[in-house]
Amino acid sequence: GQNIDQPTEMTATEGAIVQINCTYQTSGFNGLFWYQQHAGEAPTFLSYNVLDGLEEKGRFSSFLSRSKGYSYLLLKELQMKDSASYLCAVRGTSGTYKYIFGTGTRLKVLA
Amino acid sequence: GAGVSQSPRYKVAKRGQDVALRCDPISGHVSLFWYQQALGQGPEFLTYFQNEAQLDKSGLPSDRFFAERPEGSVSTLKIQRTQQEDSAVYLCASSLSGRETQYFGPGTRLLVL
Repeated sequence: GQNIDQPTEMTATEGAIVQINCTYQTSGFNGLFWYQQHAGEAPTFLSYNVLDGLEEKGRFSSFLSRSKGYSYLLLKELQMKDSASYLCAVRGTSGTYKYIFGTGTRLKVLA
Repeated sequence: GAGVSQSPRYKVAKRGQDVALRCDPISGHVSLFWYQQALGQGPEFLTYFQNEAQLDKSGLPSDRFFAERPEGSVSTLKIQRTQQEDSAVYLCASSLSGRETQYFGPGTRLLVL
């Protein structure tokens, strides 16, 4: 079967660092994506990993270990506007390139 | 440039009514995806188009769901005889080609009473 797990909720303080984990078991792997989704809005693309290692993009970094079926999204210098849901998605190796999403992690940033 | 747009943004339907949801992808994007997102859940794949060809409809929950993209640009998701369990946000995404990152529209929030 296909399964993607991420914590349901996390809370952190403004200015802090938070790590959101994602583990996956899928039939085939062709990339892992992180999206941010504010309530009532479109998911917006944050990062993409297809090879093992760390990808850094400003305050956001994403890590992948294919052998462990594991990824994390690291958010530094948290701001209030980072309060949102963070979606982990895996693209399989079927020809349709569809994403399989986790349930999302709702992050609350407190002042 | 313009992103993916969807209309209507909100739709209230009585059970048994038919609804049509529209998606305008980013210009030039070959691939188009529809997802269904229930409250508090991640999006779930419904169907995929490459140009006008519907290459995968394995995620459509029943034969009441139908999608088309006749000219390879705008797509319509139609739900016939809506049921309460159809209440969800319907997201459309497009990508330059299937291998590229998908960009999502704001979704249509459907409520079936």
